[in-house]
Amino acid sequence: AQRVTQPEKLLSVFKGAPVELKCNYSYSGSPELFWYVQYSRQRLQLLLRHISRESIKGFTADLNKGETSFHLKKPFAQEEDSAMYYCALWGGGGNKLTFGTGTQLKVEL
Amino acid sequence: DGGITQSPKYLFRKEGQNVTLSCEQNLNHDAMYWYRQDPGQGLRLIYYSQIVNDFQKGDIAEGYSVSREKKESFPLTVTSAQKNPTAFYLCASKERENTGELFFGEGSRLTVL
Repeated sequence: AQRVTQPEKLLSVFKGAPVELKCNYSYSGSPELFWYVQYSRQRLQLLLRHISRESIKGFTADLNKGETSFHLKKPFAQEEDSAMYYCALWGGGGNKLTFGTGTQLKVEL
Repeated sequence: DGGITQSPKYLFRKEGQNVTLSCEQNLNHDAMYWYRQDPGQGLRLIYYSQIVNDFQKGDIAEGYSVSREKKESFPLTVTSAQKNPTAFYLCASKERENTGELFFGEGSRLTVL
């Protein structure tokens, strides 16, 4: 069974500090990994996917198959980054997206 | 304005009553999903449908039912058999080809009194 683990419920950093949101997964096949973000009073939306290998709003994430990780990183946190972040895995024959429990990022001034 | 519309936003029900949450999309997406969002538990999949007149159970389907009679609509019924129905419910859709990118509605908050 596929599983996504986000070990931190809450991550608090100061503005300008580096950010790393952790995500580990278990999956027997070749996974597709995603990060979704939910800003206050907005709907959940896709932030980035590992396939595109792009940087969105300064965030990047590298898929490490050896460590089965897909950590989200940003070198300098901004106040507007404060949100709930979910790591998600797409895989298996069921055509479904499995989410982690989420990490609340709080950027303090 | 294209997107996914969930209604109602807030709903209260008494124990023992069934309630139906509406989800409509005009994105012409084939697949639709229902998730339940609880604090500390993330999003858990209730039911999903890849095509009209077909749907599959997710990880926590007990106490819920769905139908998919039209491409645009995927209503979720929370039955009295659901032990802990108070939660935030999210509907989503996606194009069949575009794996993993789901478009979400604004959600419906159900409170059982």
